Amino acid sequence: EVHLLESGGGLVQPGGSLRLSCAASGFTFSNYAMGWVRQAPGKVLEWVSGINGDGRDTKYADSVKGRFTISRDDSRSTLYLQMNSLRVEDTARYYCARRLLGPSASYFDNWGQGTLVTVSS
Amino acid sequence: EIVLTQSPATLSLSPGERATLSCRASQSVSSNLAWYQQNPGQAPRLLIYDASTRATGIPARFSGSGSGTDYTLTISSLEPEDFAVYYCQQRRNWPLTFGGGTKVEI
Repeated sequence: EVHLLESGGGLVQPGGSLRLSCAASGFTFSNYAMGWVRQAPGKVLEWVSGINGDGRDTKYADSVKGRFTISRDDSRSTLYLQMNSLRVEDTARYYCARRLLGPSASYFDNWGQGTLVTVSS
Repeated sequence: EIVLTQSPATLSLSPGERATLSCRASQSVSSNLAWYQQNPGQAPRLLIYDASTRATGIPARFSGSGSGTDYTLTISSLEPEDFAVYYCQQRRNWPLTFGGGTKVEI
């Protein structure tokens, strides 16, 4: 069974940093592209960042470009999101999500339960 | 950026009724569209991708259709567990974008 477990969220002041982790199990992690999607409280889903299977291709939403960095460690089956220069508007639950294999690889077929990031002074 | 507009915002129906949800894109997404279901306090679940392909384990009462800029998710007969929020998502262009959601309520 596919399992994605996020960690690393918490309360941080504006301008601060956090690193989110997503531990994957139940599948061959290195075969899959992955992504982060966030959802502010009571709001809609927002794609944040994605990384392909070999880690060479990364993409970011304009709202986080230059501040967030996605990476992966296939030896640990873990996805990361380094978040710097955090803003109040980054407050959200951050979901780690697995992308479908093959030609439909930019849809998300498995999601974690998310980790909450609160940016506040 | 491709903007996805979902309608209606809220759909009030009863179990057993048919639900029809709409997603309109600001430009053609060429069937590169998915639908997700999200229950309160839970992560989204992929229902449909490439406009009409059901994801693994999704019941046949869920179906998707559409082309170009206009897409529809149909739930043929609502079960109690189907009362949730539904989002569409496009992958035609980066950045990936989601619609604003439709809440299906009793």
